Amino acid sequence: QVQLQESGPRLVKPSQTLSLTCNVSGNSISSGSFFWSWVRLPAGRGLEWIGRVYHVGSAHYNPSLKRRVVISVDTSKNQFSLNLTSVTAADTGVYYCARDLSHSSSFYFDHWGQGALVTVSS
Amino acid sequence: SYVLTQPPSVSVAPGKTARITCGGNNIGTKSVHWYQLKPGQAPVLVINYNSDRPSGIPERFSGSNSANTAILTISWVEAGDEADYYCQVWDNILDHRVFGGGTKLTVL
Repeated sequence: QVQLQESGPRLVKPSQTLSLTCNVSGNSISSGSFFWSWVRLPAGRGLEWIGRVYHVGSAHYNPSLKRRVVISVDTSKNQFSLNLTSVTAADTGVYYCARDLSHSSSFYFDHWGQGALVTVSS
Repeated sequence: SYVLTQPPSVSVAPGKTARITCGGNNIGTKSVHWYQLKPGQAPVLVINYNSDRPSGIPERFSGSNSANTAILTISWVEAGDEADYYCQVWDNILDHRVFGGGTKLTVL
């Protein structure tokens, strides 16, 4: 059974870096069968895809966040991580990690973590 | 980038049918996926590829997609269906996963 779990600081100061890690169990990231994504639910807004990473480390980002985001992978720990720099109050919200897959000319998320509520505040 | 439009809210009485729309330019040419979000819980995929139900999702959940509108239909609505629902597509030009703005389903 595939499970994802987010971890990391829940309170970040403005202008600093938000860092989260997603631990994956029940599925080896190094199998290369899936992408691995971060999605967020900003306070008072809708879901927003942040970006995705492949097991070899190649990443692709939402253009609206691209200048501030890095997503990396550690296959030895079966984890992938999110770093979002220069955060402001607008980055406050719930951050989810998710398994990102395709069967036929589309991509969707079939397994999600519970989410990590991150607050940006001094 | 591609834009998906959902109504902010839909209300329905228990036992009735809820229909949640997701509008987009020629969305009928894309595959639409639907997620259920409840506070404090992991999001759940309820429909993928327009009308397929993943294992464990009740038959009460169904989907359709044509022209400029995709629809998530929940039949025989129960109190436990109260949640936020999001549609999602893949923007193949930007290789970008796009979500609608979300619809809050209220069971009266």
